Amino acid sequence: SAVISQKPSRDICQRGTSLTIQCQVDSQVTMMFWYRQQPGQSLTLIATANQGSEATYESGFVIDKFPISRPNLTFSTLTVSNMSPEDSSIYLCSVEDLSGVHYGYTFGSGTRLTVV
Amino acid sequence: SQQGEEDPQALSIQEGENATMNCSYKTSINNLQWYRQNSGRGLVHLILIRSNEREKHSGRLRVTLDTSKKSSSLLITASRAADTASYFCATVFYTGKLIFGQGTTLQVKP
Repeated sequence: SAVISQKPSRDICQRGTSLTIQCQVDSQVTMMFWYRQQPGQSLTLIATANQGSEATYESGFVIDKFPISRPNLTFSTLTVSNMSPEDSSIYLCSVEDLSGVHYGYTFGSGTRLTVV
Repeated sequence: SQQGEEDPQALSIQEGENATMNCSYKTSINNLQWYRQNSGRGLVHLILIRSNEREKHSGRLRVTLDTSKKSSSLLITASRAADTASYFCATVFYTGKLIFGQGTTLQVKP
């Protein structure tokens, strides 16, 4: 099954700054997904990133706040811009795994972001 | 936005007992999946059940799907302390998007 390397694993950032999270997949994938998990909550889909086109954002998420890049079929970045304490969450990337036996989705290990 | 509800929100059982978690969803789906998350880390895919399937087994896991009621259940038999985690159902739409339920926190006491 696909393996995702997500960086950084955690960071503590000052409010008003930006953080870029990277996900590298060991195989080519069409779609990559970015999720936010607020403390004690479930995962909420932020956007779907396709190579060669702009990301598709879910309701409540905008490109100015969460710009996404997808330069090729194995890599994507999510930037959390102009951060406030409310952005403190775990951010995860995910890809659909068509190669494995289970035919599920593979997730990165997550980025635990704390904004102070 | 979340697709559905899970219950219970929290479940505490003794090792060796069975754990049952339920999930409901709102719209038509392609398939439904269950995931486990340990201590806020990345998610691990457990099992997938397609919309035309009613029951599926994988080791100690049994999943059922009732599309008429838009609900699913996950049964973990003979639970172990290592099963302590949060469990999420997630529905997959024909667009490929994976939408998660609220999750159930399971604690298995040794």
